[in-house]
Amino acid sequence: GAVVSQHPSRVICKSGTSVKIECRSLDFQATTMFWYRQFPKQSLMLMATSNEGSKATYEQGVEKDKFLINHASLTLSTLTVTSAHPEDSSFYICSARDGGVSGNQPQHFGDGTRLSIL
Amino acid sequence: SQKIEQNSEALNIQEGKTATLTCNYTNYSPAYLQWYRQDPGRGPVFLLLIRENEKEKRKERLKVTFDTTLKQSLFHITASQPADSATYLCALDGTDSSYKLIFGSGTRLLVRP
Repeated sequence: GAVVSQHPSRVICKSGTSVKIECRSLDFQATTMFWYRQFPKQSLMLMATSNEGSKATYEQGVEKDKFLINHASLTLSTLTVTSAHPEDSSFYICSARDGGVSGNQPQHFGDGTRLSIL
Repeated sequence: SQKIEQNSEALNIQEGKTATLTCNYTNYSPAYLQWYRQDPGRGPVFLLLIRENEKEKRKERLKVTFDTTLKQSLFHITASQPADSATYLCALDGTDSSYKLIFGSGTRLLVRP
């Protein structure tokens, strides 16, 4: 149980392209999802917290107009990297929290999206 | 500001030995702490969660301790196997009620056959 599917797993595109990444909870309802960015051999850096039916909460230094987040249903959150440039190349990972369980609990992660901007 | 430290150097041990990984934190009092495993090119996988009022937690060959006085958690893998080779991340809950986690940079474990 508690499976999170992230798609696509890899994207290679030209500078200026907008890229959409999907994160789905397959067997539970995720009222809260998280988006992270990870550079090689570094920690996961939280970009934003996505709450179903409301605006995402962005971490300090993350441009909300650059990284658009939509959480329109209890099982799907999307991250769109708008007008991507080479410096946006990174490993993006989503996670989800089971909304049916209260209190402290683990996050369930997708397998990440490797984004390469040429 | 909050700081989470994990040994950045890889831990290289012989199969069958116990691996011990350390997570230290400062300027913070987390209510709980979690450990995750991450393989190259994959997302993290949850292993164990320990609360501030728990000293120790076990799951099969894994053991986690949580010392709120020392501000430290130790993660042990007994009878280690080459398949245990991965990067292990510790994570602490955020200071607000958003359920977000703050991750350490991880320690890479290599278990030699």
